[in-house]
Amino acid sequence: EIVLTQSPGTLSLSPGERATLSCRASQSVRSSHLAWYQQRPGQAPRLLFFAASTRATGIPDRFSGSGSGTDFTLTISKLEPEDFAVYYCQQFGRPPRTFGQGTKVEIK
Amino acid sequence: QVQLQDSGPGLVKASETLSLSCNVSGASVSDYYWTWIRQPPGKGLEYIGMITSTETTNYNASLRSRVTVSVDTSKNQFSLKLSSVTAADTAVYYCATAGFCRNGVCYVAASDVWGQGTMVTVSS
Repeated sequence: EIVLTQSPGTLSLSPGERATLSCRASQSVRSSHLAWYQQRPGQAPRLLFFAASTRATGIPDRFSGSGSGTDFTLTISKLEPEDFAVYYCQQFGRPPRTFGQGTKVEIK
Repeated sequence: QVQLQDSGPGLVKASETLSLSCNVSGASVSDYYWTWIRQPPGKGLEYIGMITSTETTNYNASLRSRVTVSVDTSKNQFSLKLSSVTAADTAVYYCATAGFCRNGVCYVAASDVWGQGTMVTVSS
């Protein structure tokens, strides 16, 4: 199975700062099969990107995704209070689907 | 617009079978792929398994011997059964979409629709 490793585990930042999250795959992943999710406490995950760099419906443009092959990045240009949450990457092209372990973006 | 409502007991005794259902509204269960994902308290997301529109299944290797995902077209829902549960199976269980079919062609997809999640506690 494809192992996804996210870094850092925790990111401590202030509102207005830029956040850069990494997702590295143990094997090459098609960009069209790489997703990012946001999970706030007590809520179900919410899809942010469904093809590495394609935002899901309603996702603000301060969120951007990039990458290919084994290295993918989620960037939040200016953190808003509601962006402090846990973020997961997922590959869904090669069964079994796998998730990264998550990156927590917390308020500094 | 697809909506999912998961349901099932919140407490299951150790060694018994956990059974959850996910009711689909706004679409036919036959026109999508479906998946189950779980999250132990304070931990990350874990893929359990999925089922396609032709009822082909795929499971997490670590759970394969104990898990069954199935579809009931008459009720427009899909289900999860996990047998011989232990305390390690205590988690929030989510149902979600995993793909879609359009004009006879089906595609895997990220999970854009999720159920609200059911907290299942395994008691001894």
